[in-house]
Amino acid sequence: EAQVTQNPRYLITVTGKKLTVTCSQNMNHEYMSWYRQDPGLGLRQIYYSMNVEVTDKGDVPEGYKVSRKEKRNFPLILESPSPNQTSLYFCASSSGTGGGLYEQYFGPGTRLTVT
Amino acid sequence: GQSLEQPSEVTAVEGAIVQINCTYQTSGFYGLSWYQQHDGGAPTFLSYNALDGLEETGRFSSFLSRSDSYGYLLLQELQMKDSASYFCATLPTGRRALTFGSGTRLQVQP
Repeated sequence: EAQVTQNPRYLITVTGKKLTVTCSQNMNHEYMSWYRQDPGLGLRQIYYSMNVEVTDKGDVPEGYKVSRKEKRNFPLILESPSPNQTSLYFCASSSGTGGGLYEQYFGPGTRLTVT
Repeated sequence: GQSLEQPSEVTAVEGAIVQINCTYQTSGFYGLSWYQQHDGGAPTFLSYNALDGLEETGRFSSFLSRSDSYGYLLLQELQMKDSASYFCATLPTGRRALTFGSGTRLQVQP
């Protein structure tokens, strides 16, 4: 089954404790991205990657890091989480070519709470 | 800059037709897409308009007019399961990051 998986699905952590949210896709997609979703603000892109070893900032990259060492994986790293990073996070992937960027496949989401 | 505006909420009855509008302000873009998101779920892709005009996919249709900076999603024969949030999204020229509208919450009533 074609899918994007994320782990963990739920996470409660404390300020300053480094964490990683994993994302993996099995569709051989070149393009992967991370979004955060907050009430009233819709989906905002954090980082994206056009291919292995190619990453770029989205609209809200501050406080986040990513890496793309393999095509299928795109982990999101919070080096020192803060309460304003409490949010619902989605990973997504797409073919990345032509109109493919408009058709993105989303993972199930990770609900992160930072206290 | 980039801005996509949608109504925050729309209510309709089962079996009816509803139109969700999306207006945008941008210096240039490639097209417009629509996503559906049920409460607690992930966004799922519905449609993409690369060109002006109407695209139909079953009960859902999407329309784009670049000259009017306007698009809409049309849902026909509404069903209770269509109750969800709907987001328009676009890719500004020169960027590879989708920009989403803030979403329209559709409530379908019996």
